Amino acid sequence: AQKITQTQPGMFVQEKEAVTLDCTYDTSDQSYGLFWYKQPSSGEMIFLIYQGSYDEQNATEGRYSLNFQKARKSANLVISASQLGDSAMYFCASGTTGRRALTFGSGTRLQVQP
Amino acid sequence: GAVVSQHPSWVICKSGTSVKIECRSLDFQATTMFWYRQFPKQSLMLMATSNEGSKATYEQGVEKDKFLINHASLTLSTLTVTSAHPEDSSFYICSAIGRLYNSPLHFGNGTRLTVT
Repeated sequence: AQKITQTQPGMFVQEKEAVTLDCTYDTSDQSYGLFWYKQPSSGEMIFLIYQGSYDEQNATEGRYSLNFQKARKSANLVISASQLGDSAMYFCASGTTGRRALTFGSGTRLQVQP
Repeated sequence: GAVVSQHPSWVICKSGTSVKIECRSLDFQATTMFWYRQFPKQSLMLMATSNEGSKATYEQGVEKDKFLINHASLTLSTLTVTSAHPEDSSFYICSAIGRLYNSPLHFGNGTRLTVT
């Protein structure tokens, strides 16, 4: 079984600043993946970034980077140079490698202020 | 463009009626599809996993007779909410993966169901 904990129900950030969204996970699996998704008010799930449990380098995708600390079981999302369009719900999720059914955290609502 | 199409995007139905939600993979063969439910201001919860040509595997606490899942082809899975009640009002979203081990996971745009 897997569990994802997102302790920040809401976050504010000024436009152009960086923000870190926290995520800790608990799993007994040896091989797993960690995902971050963005969900705007329209509801669709937008994939942002993926980190495999055996990846030694932190994943990066444009303005998104994942701060993966395996020993601490954390997978924080860092968004650099925030934009107004980044305002949305952000979900951290994990999945056993090969199964692809994801367990989601409770989400963090990010609001970017001008 | 979208690689997983979900239809309808929203539906309102009367209590006691059944509603069918479709999830289609547009340009790949989806061997496995997942159905999630999201209540307002909450996270996505996995309801069931469906593999093409076999019975769906339901998560604990999800009534299989109420939420009928059919995955009859490699491009289509359907979720039917039978005898819907107001407490079934929720956002239902599907995801799909292809044959390859490392094929990406694609989400549909979701269906907002309101039962009056």
